[in-house]
Amino acid sequence: EPEVTQTPSHQVTQMGQEVILRCVPISNHLYFYWYRQILGQKVEFLVSFYNNEISEKSEIFDDQFSVERPDGSNFTLKIRSTKLEDSAMYFCASSERWQETQYFGPGTRLLVL
Amino acid sequence: AQSVSQHNHHVILSEAASLELGCNYSYGGTVNLFWYVQYPGQHLQLLLKYFSGDPLVKGIKGFEAEFIKSKFSFNLRKPSVQWSDTAEYFCAVNGNFGNEKLTFGTGTRLTIIP
Repeated sequence: EPEVTQTPSHQVTQMGQEVILRCVPISNHLYFYWYRQILGQKVEFLVSFYNNEISEKSEIFDDQFSVERPDGSNFTLKIRSTKLEDSAMYFCASSERWQETQYFGPGTRLLVL
Repeated sequence: AQSVSQHNHHVILSEAASLELGCNYSYGGTVNLFWYVQYPGQHLQLLLKYFSGDPLVKGIKGFEAEFIKSKFSFNLRKPSVQWSDTAEYFCAVNGNFGNEKLTFGTGTRLTIIP
């Protein structure tokens, strides 16, 4: 069964450094998402992406964040200058069509020191 | 703004007990409803979903959920739990039109005692 994959599984970085989290959505899916879960808190929506554009973003997704689909398979989340409060589990998800089920990847655990 | 409430933070049951996890949502329109499960060390997996039609939906592993529109609820049930059901369960909602982002509840940790 096709799955969403994410790399790396864990990332430790120093505050102020840039990180890029990578995702490979399911191949025939057209809608892509990033969510995050701070330890002990709920899963929160960050951004959705379709047709090479951001379709919706949350208040969390400020100018420090960006997303890109650099080729036909990868979907990346970049944090330009990480803060301590960016430490979280970041989940990528994809769906085949508008309003269809979102399938989640295993997550990248980001720790900012 | 939409929101999801899961009232049970941690539920502990013995094997073969019946399960019901509560989920209430707040949203000013037609909704799609989901239950996701996260087994220890694994990623979020879809258990079941409701888009329209029969309000009683059946999912994988013997789980079912009932959408009660008048109560804004989508409770998850299983008649007889197994040790392997130990996991965290998340209720989520998105809007039927113009809003695909998922809003999650805080999750319910389910521990099954053999």
